[in-house]
Amino acid sequence: KAGVTQTPRYLIKTRGQQVTLSCSPISGHRSVSWYQQTPGQGLQFLFEYFSETQRNKGNFPGRFSGRQFSNSRSEMNVSTLELGDSALYLCASSRAGARDTQYFGPGTRLTVL
Amino acid sequence: KQEVTQIPAALSVPEGENLVLNCSFTDSAIYNLQWFRQDPGKGLTSLLLIQSSQREQTSGRLNASLDKSSGRSTLYIAASQPGDSATYLCAVIIQGAQKLVFGQGTRLTINP
Repeated sequence: KAGVTQTPRYLIKTRGQQVTLSCSPISGHRSVSWYQQTPGQGLQFLFEYFSETQRNKGNFPGRFSGRQFSNSRSEMNVSTLELGDSALYLCASSRAGARDTQYFGPGTRLTVL
Repeated sequence: KQEVTQIPAALSVPEGENLVLNCSFTDSAIYNLQWFRQDPGKGLTSLLLIQSSQREQTSGRLNASLDKSSGRSTLYIAASQPGDSATYLCAVIIQGAQKLVFGQGTRLTINP
């Protein structure tokens, strides 16, 4: 079956702009988690959605937000971009949550100039 | 606060060797521990998941062990191959949480 897909794969934005990233989970998976990966901080948890409800949120400012649709697809939005937001954004899907095997997408590489 | 440490940060070995990657965590109240591999610029691929009640899991040439009381896990790779070159990450799920806490990873290079 098809894996986790993320679009777009690459993005270049300037400071102050906003961006929306999309994640389509594996069919039948109801949980989607988002992570930010940077060379300095490694992988950090952003938030997790299950059946359209945010169940957990990481320690990121309110500029980072997300949502999940009834078909389990998820989007995350970053407003007022800063240089430090440049990172690889990964989403992971699973059947019921973080306690299950996580299947990661290829990521979206965001560069903020 | 749960902290996950992986040592060494980088490892280079000749093809065919057996090797061990280490992962330690500070809070033993975990639900499970997962090992992933990440190829450059790519997403993560799940290798093994060990529940807190288990001691080890095996998949092909990979064997992962878990000692919850000492806060340690090891990933054993037998008969290493150049295709095993990647960054290996371990992550734990804290009991009551719905998120993975990752280590910084070990960058593994297998030389032909």
